[in-house]
Amino acid sequence: AQSVTQPDIHITVSEGASLELRCNYSYGATPYLFWYVQSPGQGLQLLLKYFSGDTLVQGIKGFEAEFKRSQSSFNLRKPSVHWSDAAEYFCAVGAGAGYALNFGKGTSLLVTP
Amino acid sequence: GAGVSQSPSNKVTEKGKDVELRCDPISGHTALYWYRQSLGQGLEFLIYFQGNSAPDKSGLPSDRFSAERTGGSVSTLTIQRTQQEDSAVYLCASREARADTQYFGPGTRLTVL
Repeated sequence: AQSVTQPDIHITVSEGASLELRCNYSYGATPYLFWYVQSPGQGLQLLLKYFSGDTLVQGIKGFEAEFKRSQSSFNLRKPSVHWSDAAEYFCAVGAGAGYALNFGKGTSLLVTP
Repeated sequence: GAGVSQSPSNKVTEKGKDVELRCDPISGHTALYWYRQSLGQGLEFLIYFQGNSAPDKSGLPSDRFSAERTGGSVSTLTIQRTQQEDSAVYLCASREARADTQYFGPGTRLTVL
């Protein structure tokens, strides 16, 4: 069965520091991979996605992610974190013709001054 | 343009009552999804509609849950005989037919007393 694992429940980084959020997936075929962000009281917003092609994908707000098939990973990165990046981040796999999303449990990001 | 809208934004009900949650997708989006977000289970897929095809109900947790989509647009998620474990945020998302990105609404927070 397909699954998505985000090993880190909480991460704290200093403003201006680099960030990497981990995501591992288990899926039989080539997965459709997504990262979403959810700010307090807000809906889910798509940061970036990977379907095929270049394994390094760029997203909004300065985020990028790298698909590594050998490691079954799709880690999210940002070179310099801003206080406004504090939020909950979800990795997801889209499956089937409808791309119904299977989400990880999420990683809560805290940014300190 | 207008995004996905959901109503009500908050719903408090008593155990055993039926509730209806509404989703208005983005105009022209033929695919519509319902998800549930709860502290214990995270984000879970519930049901998927695509055009006039039979919906994918594989994520519905019990037969107390049902959904319909009228005229290929508005959708209603109905929970009968609500239980306290139904307390969660119910999210709706929509997608264009040939696209891969789902756009999420702000959600309905359901509290079952």
